[in-house]
Amino acid sequence: SAVISQKPSRDICQRGTSLTIQCQVDSQVTMMFWYRQQPGQSLTLIATANQGSEATYESGFVIDKFPISRPNLTFSTLTVSNMSPEDSSIYLCSAGQENTEAFFGQGTRLTVV
Amino acid sequence: GQNIDQPTEMTATEGAIVQINCTYQTSGFNGLFWYQQHAGEAPTFLSYNVLDGLEEKGRFSSFLSRSKGYSYLLLKELQMKDSASYLCAVRDSNYQLIWGAGTKLIIKP
Repeated sequence: SAVISQKPSRDICQRGTSLTIQCQVDSQVTMMFWYRQQPGQSLTLIATANQGSEATYESGFVIDKFPISRPNLTFSTLTVSNMSPEDSSIYLCSAGQENTEAFFGQGTRLTVV
Repeated sequence: GQNIDQPTEMTATEGAIVQINCTYQTSGFNGLFWYQQHAGEAPTFLSYNVLDGLEEKGRFSSFLSRSKGYSYLLLKELQMKDSASYLCAVRDSNYQLIWGAGTKLIIKP
C-alpha cells in the first residue's frame, strides 16, 4: 500500500489569489490524480498528473486555472489559480499503480472568501 | 457514455445486514472497487473485484458479475461506525477510475 501526505489540510483564501496543494507519496507510483469533491457529492476528476509531461485534463478543467506539476514518481502539486468562491471544495490527491487500488491523501478543504 | 449507478441513500439497523448495489456501463473493464468515506474524510479502500464471484474480507464482502455489469457490497453485523458513504468505482480500458455518486448508509440503533 502507499501512504499519501497531502497539505495543507485546509485553508481559507481571498478571492483572486492562488493556492498550491502538495501531494507526497511514500513510494514510486505510476499514476497520480487530482479530484474535486463538493459536499455530499462524489469525486470529480480534474486531471491525471503525468510524470515529466503536461497533465491530462478532464472536460471543464483547464491548465491555466489548475496548473499541475509532477516532477517525479512520488510528488505532485495542484494549483488553484485566481480563486473565486465557486472553487470552494475539497481537493483530493490519489495515487496507485495500474493494477492496484487507488490510495488517497487526506484531502484539502478550501474555502474562498 | 460511461455510467455507474448506485442508490443515493440506505438505512439499516445496527447488527443487521445490508447490501449496496452498483451497476455500471464503461469503456472496458479493469476491475471494480468499493471505498468507504466518512463525512469530512478521504475515501478508504474496502475491496477490489476483477473476476466474477464473491470476495470476502471480514464483515465486508463484495460480489461481481461482469456479464451483468453488476456488483454489490455486503456489510454484515452492522456497527454504528459503518455509517458512511460507500463509493463504487470501475477502472476502464484507459486505467482511469469512473466513480459512482456514492450511497449514504445510515445505521440506526
